[in-house]
Amino acid sequence: KQEVTQIPAALSVPEGENLVLNCSFTDSAIYNLQWFRQDPGKGLTSLLLIQSSQREQTSGRLNASLDKSSGRSTLYIAASQPGDSATYLCAGQTGTASKLTFGTGTRLQVTL
Amino acid sequence: SAVISQKPSRDICQRGTSLTIQCQVDSQVTMMFWYRQQPGQSLTLIATANQGSEATYESGFVIDKFPISRPNLTFSTLTVSNMSPEDSSIYLCSVVKGVGTEAFFGQGTRLTVV
Repeated sequence: KQEVTQIPAALSVPEGENLVLNCSFTDSAIYNLQWFRQDPGKGLTSLLLIQSSQREQTSGRLNASLDKSSGRSTLYIAASQPGDSATYLCAGQTGTASKLTFGTGTRLQVTL
Repeated sequence: SAVISQKPSRDICQRGTSLTIQCQVDSQVTMMFWYRQQPGQSLTLIATANQGSEATYESGFVIDKFPISRPNLTFSTLTVSNMSPEDSSIYLCSVVKGVGTEAFFGQGTRLTVV
């Protein structure tokens, strides 16, 4: 059974800093790894999807990497802004049923 | 991409009653899912909504408590039955257009049971 964990659980950084969020998964037979953003009390916004055959994906200030052999993914946020404050969730898709197993999330606060 | 409309966005309900949540997608999708997010927790899959047949439930979730319908490829409902305060959560609809492709989520329904 796939298990996904995220470290750290919470992170506070000053505006402008670069930061890395970590995601670990136990089952390397993963179809893809997806990163989401969730604002308080809201739904999920998809940020990046990395297929199992890919190493990384980039969108604007965001870069996500995937290392299946070590069971790890990272989300790199460059030049953080207060608007980046949210909870970031990673989720792995394993098997043809397309079900997602979610990590525990990292709550990010970017301060002025 | 897919645009998902979920209704209601929030509700406060009395214990013992039921609430039906609707999920409408702007295009036909192969797979639809219902997730629950309890306060301070991550998301847990409730079930896969199957078009024209009974939903497939995950361990710990049963049809009597969470009946699901999916009459076509763009619409699904989740009912939370005989509610108790422990059912207070955010319920989210999700769609995937094909195996291994991107998952999209609705804005969620914030349910409070009093």
